[in-house]
Amino acid sequence: ETGVTQTPRHLVMGMTNKKSLKCEQHLGHNAMYWYKQSAKKPLELMFVYSLEERVENNSVPSRFSPECPNSSHLFLHLHTLQPEDSALYLCASSQDYSGRELFFGEGSRLTVL
Amino acid sequence: KNEVEQSPQNLTAQEGEFITINCSYSVGISALHWLQQHPGGGIVSLFMLSSGKKKHGRLIATINIQEKHSSLHITASHPRDSAVYICAVHPNTGNQFYFGTGTSLTVIP
Repeated sequence: ETGVTQTPRHLVMGMTNKKSLKCEQHLGHNAMYWYKQSAKKPLELMFVYSLEERVENNSVPSRFSPECPNSSHLFLHLHTLQPEDSALYLCASSQDYSGRELFFGEGSRLTVL
Repeated sequence: KNEVEQSPQNLTAQEGEFITINCSYSVGISALHWLQQHPGGGIVSLFMLSSGKKKHGRLIATINIQEKHSSLHITASHPRDSAVYICAVHPNTGNQFYFGTGTSLTVIP
């Protein structure tokens, strides 16, 4: 139990669907992150929120839309995805944006058909 | 080229063997992390190092800042150690972490 909870754990969606991934952290941290993990590749940073403000967007396609309504919750809204977007999406948090330690959730395994 | 390189990519060991996983990085860092990822997907932090050596149970992590190299050792390996081990660094400049591609370890009973 890392204090970071992700739902759903598994998601299968068609290319025309709209779905959302949810992340909640119970650690009182101020920074939250979305990472994409594909087979045999390093974790790719997608978005960073610090104190509910987006501070990083690593050239992520607009079919991925993040939302951070408060410092404990982070969403990733998905629409018109492509099969190559199938991956494990990991949420993480840290004390603050310059924090040297990340706490990860269990991940959401996404399959796009 | 990735800022963090790990070797080996895959490792199979017999139960009880001593295991070493290596990590080399190319940037100045403030901290290096060893992470463990089980098949379910979640990642947990094993160690955070900025110098020297740390030990936790059967796991030992070392770092040589001058050589930009770290090793993770597992003594008396056990099937429950089977997982992917990921090296990550927090650079001196900027806030993004750099990650290795991971080492997939299988320990056979």
